[in-house]
Amino acid sequence: SAVISQKPSRDICQRGTSLTIQCQVDSQVTMMFWYRQQPGQSLTLIATANQGSEATYESGFVIDKFPISRPNLTFSTLTVSNMSPEDSSIYLCSVESTPNTEAFFGQGTRLTVV
Amino acid sequence: EDQVTQSPEALRLQEGESSSLNCSYTVSGLRGLFWYRQDPGKGPEFLFTLYSAGEEKEKERLKATLTKKESFLHITAPKPEDSATYLCAVLPDGGGFKTIFGAGTRLFVKA
Repeated sequence: SAVISQKPSRDICQRGTSLTIQCQVDSQVTMMFWYRQQPGQSLTLIATANQGSEATYESGFVIDKFPISRPNLTFSTLTVSNMSPEDSSIYLCSVESTPNTEAFFGQGTRLTVV
Repeated sequence: EDQVTQSPEALRLQEGESSSLNCSYTVSGLRGLFWYRQDPGKGPEFLFTLYSAGEEKEKERLKATLTKKESFLHITAPKPEDSATYLCAVLPDGGGFKTIFGAGTRLFVKA
């Protein structure tokens, strides 16, 4: 299994500002995944981040709003840009132990936009 | 469209009262079905992977089973510390990477 460190664990931000969330993995992984979990709801995939290439975004999510960096095989960041209260959610970083198998998650970042 | 539906949304049990959670899925082909536990304020914690109908996995008081259309998570003699949200997820066949999650079942176990 992989150990994933995600930070910050929580933040309260003003609307119109941006927040960058960091995800560090204790081993090298090919793909990293970013999810959003809105209150009382399940996980929705935002994008898949491969090292050395642009992230692949799911329908409803765009790079201008959620830019992602993947500078190496153990680290990724997700930025939530120009935030509004609708962006209040838990954001989760995830990796797979081996491709197409179970996922391991960070502790999540609880974001509140006021 | 690939879909995962979990029921019930919430389940309240007395300590020691066994029950089952259901996960129904509709996919063109199944590469894997996963169960996770999520505690409040934390990320999901992996429990089981099932790959084919008839497969079963066990861990302490939990047992997961799989048929061609659904999976069950059986909880035997639950304890208050089993209280959590249990998430089911499927990885469809077809060459992509996208795991699809159900909405979860919130389990409350009262002492």
